Amino acid sequence: NAGVTQTPKFRILKIGQSMTLQCTQDMNHNYMYWYRQDPGMGLKLIYYSVGAGITDKGEVPNGYNVSRSTTEDFPLRLELAAPSQTSVYFCASSYSWNSGNTIYFGEGSWLTVV
Amino acid sequence: ELKVEQNPLFLSMQEGKNYTIYCNYSTTSDRLYWYRQDPGKSLESLFVLLSNGAVKQEGRLMASLDTKARLSTLHITAAVHDLSATYFCAVLNTGNQFYFGTGTSLTVIP
Repeated sequence: NAGVTQTPKFRILKIGQSMTLQCTQDMNHNYMYWYRQDPGMGLKLIYYSVGAGITDKGEVPNGYNVSRSTTEDFPLRLELAAPSQTSVYFCASSYSWNSGNTIYFGEGSWLTVV
Repeated sequence: ELKVEQNPLFLSMQEGKNYTIYCNYSTTSDRLYWYRQDPGKSLESLFVLLSNGAVKQEGRLMASLDTKARLSTLHITAAVHDLSATYFCAVLNTGNQFYFGTGTSLTVIP
């Protein structure tokens, strides 16, 4: 019953460091997403993927990279971390638009850049 | 780019009262979702609305969708403290991207 699993849950980075947020889902969903949520704000789409080998930019992709080598995994890489990337990051997945399925979220990763 | 606006952003209401949260969106879509988020937690799915005129109810919450007006409402009936949370609406476009509103922070006061 895992659903969407994200790691790590908490991380502190120094400016200029890099890291990867891991995300895996066991629901065989085609679509996967990375969102960021700044304090008191809604979610902004960073990147998304419609299937293995296919990724595309969302609203706020700058400073991030993704890959989708398998259906299950969708890691998010932060290169040269900046304080503006301090946020909560949510990975999510869904089946398909036509099915009307909702989107399932991971527990979130709290990232602080100092 | 699809824009999703919610109002109010903050809502403080007494237990037992009724209120409505509004969600407007900027482009055509017939896929509208409502989520709840408790402080420090992830988002939990509440309702999935898939057609014009769709209405869903669960307990004290009822959601509706008017695709012609590009408007969804989340109505709260006889609020209780357990409903205190932040509520988000989200619209799904044909590219399967979910766009979220800014959220409505609801506090129910005893």
